[in-house]
Amino acid sequence: DAGVIQSPRHEVTEMGQEVTLRCKPISGHDYLFWYRQTMMRGLELLIYFNNNVPIDDSGMPEDRFSAKMPNASFSTLKIQPSEPRDSAVYFCASSFGGGRNTIYFGEGSWLTVV
Amino acid sequence: GENVEQHPSTLSVQEGDSAVIKCTYSDSASNYFPWYKQELGKRPQLIIDIRSNVGEKKDQRIAVTLNKTAKHFSLHITETQPEDSAVYFCAASSGGSNYKLTFGKGTLLTVNP
Repeated sequence: DAGVIQSPRHEVTEMGQEVTLRCKPISGHDYLFWYRQTMMRGLELLIYFNNNVPIDDSGMPEDRFSAKMPNASFSTLKIQPSEPRDSAVYFCASSFGGGRNTIYFGEGSWLTVV
Repeated sequence: GENVEQHPSTLSVQEGDSAVIKCTYSDSASNYFPWYKQELGKRPQLIIDIRSNVGEKKDQRIAVTLNKTAKHFSLHITETQPEDSAVYFCAASSGGSNYKLTFGKGTLLTVNP
């Protein structure tokens, strides 16, 4: 398997623009996680899905953030409108069985909002 | 929810020395404790994990210990090498049916040649 695949790898956008990050989990995994990493706050869990259903979105910072998982092989994280404080690395990760087993991270999407 | 505290935030050692990173967790129902290594500009990757039914696990130069009573666990790296330089994260899996991982803030380990 190619692992968790994320796109884009890097994005620079202007404040107010919509940003869409994409993720393809490892085939057969039933959990998908979106994390955000910054120097100040470390690795924060934003939302996670089990069998395509959102289970816990308590980490989503505000209504500007939304995530979907229309099928087992695809998920999106959308920020609309984007703000400079959203600049971070966004990791998608997947596992079989959730946080009880190994979580595999994608390479991350490096977002800069200017 | 689960809260994971990790210390120290930075650690510098000489090549060949040992390094120890400590974490505490708050949820007594947590039962899975992985450690991830993240090299600069790369993704976090699992290096070792431990479940609550064992107290220690070893894999070559790395080992993890768990004290469930005190709710703390530690990563031990022996005979450190420059390639061990990275950020290390501990994590705890929340108990019950909430199968998510909560990460510590990370430890930047620098191994000086």
